[in-house]
Amino acid sequence: QQQVKQSPQSLIVQKGGISIINCAYENTAFDYFPWYQQFPGKGPALLIAIRPDVSEKKEGRFTISFNKSAKQFSLHIMDSQPGDSATYFCAASIRNQGGKLIFGQGTELSVKP
Amino acid sequence: EAGVAQSPRYKIIEKRQSVAFWCNPISGHATLYWYQQILGQGPKLLIQFQNNGVVDDSQLPKDRFSAERLKGVDSTLKIQPAKLEDSAVYLCASSAGPLIRGGELFFGEGSRLTVL
Repeated sequence: QQQVKQSPQSLIVQKGGISIINCAYENTAFDYFPWYQQFPGKGPALLIAIRPDVSEKKEGRFTISFNKSAKQFSLHIMDSQPGDSATYFCAASIRNQGGKLIFGQGTELSVKP
Repeated sequence: EAGVAQSPRYKIIEKRQSVAFWCNPISGHATLYWYQQILGQGPKLLIQFQNNGVVDDSQLPKDRFSAERLKGVDSTLKIQPAKLEDSAVYLCASSAGPLIRGGELFFGEGSRLTVL
């Protein structure tokens, strides 16, 4: 119930293409869904986040789509660039537990020039 | 503004030895977290502090792991005795407050532990 399942595990995309990473959850108490980006040797950094009262949020080339009824959300990276090559983690927070973040397993994205 | 500082960056020890990691959060951040990230997995919360009090340590293996945050600023995570399965990156993070309604976690670069 506390898990966030992320897919795919790895993704290779050509420069200029669209990268899509999906996440699913079971716990309906989650009310905050961030995506974190991690480069090798660095800590994760917040990329974009959404709340369940919104179906989509866009920031530059990054878009989160949220489907509350299906308990799924996804990250779309438009016009993918080699500099986007990193590991991406979806996460969800638990409303009544101090905002504890549960992370997905991660997706290693490689954007080929 | 200085980020979350962690040390050491790398540590190699034999099993059954002890190790300690140090974290200094962003100035003014009341909430501090220790996460364990095993290779190929997402970070898993070990312990969360609000100032110098523990908010959540439900996933901390208390028979071997301990953490403290004296004076509500920097924090130390200790493992004694270490096991092979403790090999991981230990990430410290901080936030301005509890992420009850969202907000950002700021992560350090992590301390990579290898247990032989």
